[in-house]
Amino acid sequence: EVQLVESGGGAVWPGRSLRLSCAASGFSFDDYGMSWVRQAPGRGLEWVSGINWSGGRTGYADSVKGRFIISRDNAKNSLYLQMTSLRDEDTALYYCARATYYYNSDGYRRDGGADIWGQGTMVSVSS
Amino acid sequence: SYELTQPPSVSVSPGQTARITCSGDALPKKYAYWHQQKSGQAPVLVIYEDSKRPSGIPERFSGSSSGTMATLTISGAQVEDEGDYYCYSTDSTGYLGVFGGGTKLTVL
Repeated sequence: EVQLVESGGGAVWPGRSLRLSCAASGFSFDDYGMSWVRQAPGRGLEWVSGINWSGGRTGYADSVKGRFIISRDNAKNSLYLQMTSLRDEDTALYYCARATYYYNSDGYRRDGGADIWGQGTMVSVSS
Repeated sequence: SYELTQPPSVSVSPGQTARITCSGDALPKKYAYWHQQKSGQAPVLVIYEDSKRPSGIPERFSGSSSGTMATLTISGAQVEDEGDYYCYSTDSTGYLGVFGGGTKLTVL
């Protein structure tokens, strides 16, 4: 069964750090790009960060750039999100998601939207 | 920063056709994806690459894209289709993802 399981969430003070993990199983992890998506209570989905299959290319939303770092360990089938300088507005349910992929007109592989999602891990930032 | 725009809500009666739109400047060159999210659950992909349907998604779900607008169509909407629907795409570089604000679909 294809599965993503997030862990590492919790309650922290503003300014502190937290590291989220996502354990993948049931598919060839190193074949896929991965993303972190968050959802604040009562709000919509927000793309946070993405990483390609090799880890050689990453992207970040403006709201987290310079504070969060996405990484992966293909040998451990794991995705990570290191979060620093946390703010109240980072409070959300954080989902790990597997990206689909396609080949563009130039023949280059590009990551698309997510086809597999975990159940999320909650991060609460408050004083 | 790049944005995708969706209507906040759409309401239809059971059996009617529901259409949810998503507009964005990069959509002529980038694929749109659609996710359904029911209360308290993780999102589910219902349409990928503008118009393709994943296995297990009912045939009443379809997608299209023209110019700067992508559209999710639910033909013969059912009560169980109620939920929030989000479009997703990337900016012109292809490396930054973005979700639309979401559309709450009511079927009653």
